[in-house]
Amino acid sequence: EPEVTQTPSHQVTQMGQEVILRCVPISNHLYFYWYRQILGQKVEFLVSFYNNEISEKSEIFDDQFSVERPDGSNFTLKIRSTKLEDSAMYFCASSAPWGGFEKLFFGSGTQLSVL
Amino acid sequence: KNEVEQSPQNLTAQEGEFITINCSYSVGISALHWLQQHPGGGIVSLFMLSSGKKKHGRLIATINIQEKHSSLHITASHPRDSAVYICAVRKGGSQGNLIFGKGTKLSVKP
Repeated sequence: EPEVTQTPSHQVTQMGQEVILRCVPISNHLYFYWYRQILGQKVEFLVSFYNNEISEKSEIFDDQFSVERPDGSNFTLKIRSTKLEDSAMYFCASSAPWGGFEKLFFGSGTQLSVL
Repeated sequence: KNEVEQSPQNLTAQEGEFITINCSYSVGISALHWLQQHPGGGIVSLFMLSSGKKKHGRLIATINIQEKHSSLHITASHPRDSAVYICAVRKGGSQGNLIFGKGTKLSVKP
């Protein structure tokens, strides 16, 4: 089965530093998403991206966050100035364009630790 | 109050038992997802439902839109089914903006 790949699997950074989390969605998918899960808490939606622009974002996705699809295959999440509370597992996901919103395919996640 | 509630929070079963996990939600939705989160953290989509019932192998998912309730059933449970099962709802008009439940941690003993 096709896979969504995320790199790195673990990222440790100092508070205030910029981080970029990378994702390669499934090649014929058109909808891309970022979610996060703080340890011990439920998964939360951050942002959805379609046709090279953000289609929806949550309250969590403030000006410190940005997303980009720089080259037609990668999908990145940038956090400009990390805070301690940004420590979480970040999941990228993609879905197919046909039939509306169908099955989501998740990457294995990037564990971000902000020190 | 959480918009998506799952029960039970934790469930321990013996291998071979029939398992039911419940999900209730309080908002209007266009679809409901059942997800499986493995101990390593990875998430796999099991079902997306907007009405009725779906079956895949030993897994069955049902939804009652009027009652705002969904169930995930596992027949002939196996230790490899041990995972956290998460219900997530998509509000009408939304795409990937899902509201997630807290999950049900299932442990199946041999």
